[in-house]
Amino acid sequence: QQQVKQSPQSLIVQKGGISIINCAYENTAFDYFPWYQQFPGKGPALLIAIRPDVSEKKEGRFTISFNKSAKQFSLHIMDSQPGDSATYFCAASIYSAAGNKLTFGGGTRVLVKP
Amino acid sequence: EAQVTQNPRYLITVTGKKLTVTCSQNMNHEYMSWYRQDPGLGLRQIYYSMNVEVTDKGDVPEGYKVSRKEKRNFPLILESPSPNQTSLYFCASSLSAGGTDTQYFGPGTRLTVL
Repeated sequence: QQQVKQSPQSLIVQKGGISIINCAYENTAFDYFPWYQQFPGKGPALLIAIRPDVSEKKEGRFTISFNKSAKQFSLHIMDSQPGDSATYFCAASIYSAAGNKLTFGGGTRVLVKP
Repeated sequence: EAQVTQNPRYLITVTGKKLTVTCSQNMNHEYMSWYRQDPGLGLRQIYYSMNVEVTDKGDVPEGYKVSRKEKRNFPLILESPSPNQTSLYFCASSLSAGGTDTQYFGPGTRLTVL
């Protein structure tokens, strides 16, 4: 049972297009929502993150939209570039006595065609 | 260079042969964690450590052991590997167990158990 569901599993977008990845969560106790980017042969790296009291966060071409009532959040990659081709993971975390435990979505493989 | 290192990067072994995957970080981080990555399932936490001599189970701890005798090292031990432990393993660390502390991932260890 995945607590964070991510879709689509893969997507292909033309250079300059918009990539959109969606995630839904179940546990309302999650209080931090990071996105990780992973290139082949590498570990995931933090891309951008949002707290649930904010509806949108933008960093360069990357934007997170957050809908607390729907328990959904999404990543938009504007003006997609071939260098953005990677696997993207959404995640959610709860800070507790057990520390900052990350629960990941299943991942989305993005291919940007030149 | 601040980094998380893992060794070996690739390992093929046979069922039942004990193995250890090492993880080391040079950032003086308190929190360390092990994940396994499987297609469609994202990353799932195996074990984590809040500090030296403090470890606890994550979501999928069965068949794994860890130890944290030094702050920088957090080895993952498979005492009797089985084929269902064939996976891509990542070690991660963060400054503390704080809710928004970024987790830094190692490059991964691809394990095949025959």
